[in-house]
Amino acid sequence: GAGVSQSPRYKVAKRGQDVALRCDPISGHVSLFWYQQALGQGPEFLTYFQNEAQLDKSGLPSDRFFAERPEGSVSTLKIQRTQQEDSAVYLCASGRGGSYNEQFFGPGTRLTVL
Amino acid sequence: QQQVKQSPQSLIVQKGGISIINCAYENTAFDYFPWYQQFPGKGPALLIAIRPDVSEKKEGRFTISFNKSAKQFSLHIMDSQPGDSATYFCAASGGGGSNYKLTFGKGTLLTVNP
Repeated sequence: GAGVSQSPRYKVAKRGQDVALRCDPISGHVSLFWYQQALGQGPEFLTYFQNEAQLDKSGLPSDRFFAERPEGSVSTLKIQRTQQEDSAVYLCASGRGGSYNEQFFGPGTRLTVL
Repeated sequence: QQQVKQSPQSLIVQKGGISIINCAYENTAFDYFPWYQQFPGKGPALLIAIRPDVSEKKEGRFTISFNKSAKQFSLHIMDSQPGDSATYFCAASGGGGSNYKLTFGKGTLLTVNP
């Protein structure tokens, strides 16, 4: 079946611009996660949804970061007034939830802020 | 505070050899330990995972060894192949209400020479 898809795959923004990154999870997966991966580092947790409810946003670096999943499927990560330190790969993962911890990752969106 | 420490940072192995990557964790509440493989430009892909009720799990050429008392776990890749060349991440999750959140190591760049 289809895996997690993300768009765009690459995004270049000028400092101060707003960006929106999209994630299409695996069909039927109730859990959705966003991670940030800096160059040469492991992914770092940003936020977690169970269906449409955002249950944990403790990893969002600042109030410029906002995520939503209004209908419990597609999710959008929005970054307002982008800064150079926001440059990273943003990964989305989905999972079946419940007692299953397995998370399946998309290819990521590489964001470059100039 | 880095909760999952991974070593080595990079590893070069000859084709047919054994690749060994080690991770140590601090949080005794962790109860799920996956390994991910990541190729350039791709998202992490789940390789194999273990829970602390067993000391070893094998899937094909990949084996996880787990030492609960030492809070360490390792990935062994038998008969390493050039196609195994990638970055490997260990991760951990568990502990009360945030059992969904994966904490990753910093990664190991594996190169398998032909």
